[in-house]
Amino acid sequence: DIQMTQSPSSLSASIGDRVTITCRASHDISNFLAWFQQKPGEAPKSLIYGASTLQSGVPSRFSGSRSGTDFTLTISSLQPDDFATYYCQQSSDYPLTFGGGTKVEIK
Amino acid sequence: EVQLVESGGGLVQPGGSLRLSCEASGFDFVAHYMDWVRQAPGKGLDWVGRVRHRASSYTTEYAATVKGRFTISRDDSRNSLYLVINNLRTEDTAVYYCARVLGGAYLDYWGQGTLVIVSS
Repeated sequence: DIQMTQSPSSLSASIGDRVTITCRASHDISNFLAWFQQKPGEAPKSLIYGASTLQSGVPSRFSGSRSGTDFTLTISSLQPDDFATYYCQQSSDYPLTFGGGTKVEIK
Repeated sequence: EVQLVESGGGLVQPGGSLRLSCEASGFDFVAHYMDWVRQAPGKGLDWVGRVRHRASSYTTEYAATVKGRFTISRDDSRNSLYLVINNLRTEDTAVYYCARVLGGAYLDYWGQGTLVIVSS
């Protein structure tokens, strides 16, 4: 199985901060990487797919990038609505696998 | 508007069975693969499996941890997705989400989930 190692597991940040979350795949997954946002008691919401394509309706402060098997989700200026848990997920091979999640909290 | 509505969860004894349903609307259901993903209380996301569309012969994929006990199917005439879980274990306790697959690869829309609790 492809392991997705996500870091950090949690972070504290302030409104307006630039936030970066990283996911490393154990094997080459090309660009088959998606990012999700999940708030407590809610279903996950798709943010980015294909490593860097923004899902329709997602604010442009979110962006994704790839360098080899390392993937990054960046929030350019953290907003109150962004405090949530973020997950990466690979869809290159079965079984699909998720990172362990990053909880973004208010500093 | 794309909508996915799960149902069928509840409290079940270990060893029991359950059928979860996911009713889809607002998109061309027959054109999409569909997935199930679960989330144990306080834990991360865990992919369960996939059913492809008619053009791909409704073939399925499963996580190794559920293969043999879980069965995913669909009824395109009812725009519905199903998950049958047999021989339920306490570790199957989770919220079960259905999700639409975009382009055969990416989960884009998710339902609100249905909670399954396995306990005696």
